[in-house]
Amino acid sequence: AQKVTQAQTEISVVEKEDVTLDCVYETRDTTYYLFWYKQPPSGELVFLIRRNSFDEQNEISGRYSWNFQKSTSSFNFTITASQVVDSAVYFCALSEVNFGNEKLTFGTGTRLTIIP
Amino acid sequence: GAGVSQSPSNKVTEKGKDVELRCDPISGHTALYWYRQRLGQGLEFLIYFQGNSAPDKSGLPSDRFSAERTGESVSTLTIQRTQQEDSAVYLCASSLDPGRNFAKNQPQHFGDGTRLSIL
Repeated sequence: AQKVTQAQTEISVVEKEDVTLDCVYETRDTTYYLFWYKQPPSGELVFLIRRNSFDEQNEISGRYSWNFQKSTSSFNFTITASQVVDSAVYFCALSEVNFGNEKLTFGTGTRLTIIP
Repeated sequence: GAGVSQSPSNKVTEKGKDVELRCDPISGHTALYWYRQRLGQGLEFLIYFQGNSAPDKSGLPSDRFSAERTGESVSTLTIQRTQQEDSAVYLCASSLDPGRNFAKNQPQHFGDGTRLSIL
């Protein structure tokens, strides 16, 4: 069975600080995908990144960066120089690869509050 | 529209009534998923459609829940004899079907959800 754990329920940081959101996953599959989604107060889920299990390169996109480490089954997300607009609930998710069925297993989310 | 559309955005109903939730996926997306998000929790998978077929219904919590899809487009999720524990946001997502090509995984695009409240 697959499982995603986001141990940090809530985080608050002052604007311009860096913040890292942790994600640990469990799967018996050797081929899988990892995702991060953002859910702002308005409620919609916004796709941020997808990473496949064979690509351990870290990725940077503007102020966002992701650190994928298979050895520790972690896929952490760092926001650099945080802004108030980053305030949201962030979900880490995992999907197996099953001939088109890529249902997502989500963590419980981390609520990030950026204090102006 | 360009995105996944869900209706109604909000639904309040009395316990015991049936409700029907609608999802219009992005045009051309053959894969469609329903998820449920209870207050303060992550999303739980309910059902997966490939075209009009539902090869994975493993997340449906009880036989009061059913879903169908027609024309490889619109999907409806029906909850019969609603209970208070059914209160949640129901989200629909769609994606292009990567088939067996691992490299062509497509992210799921989510609608804004239907907030269902059972009184």
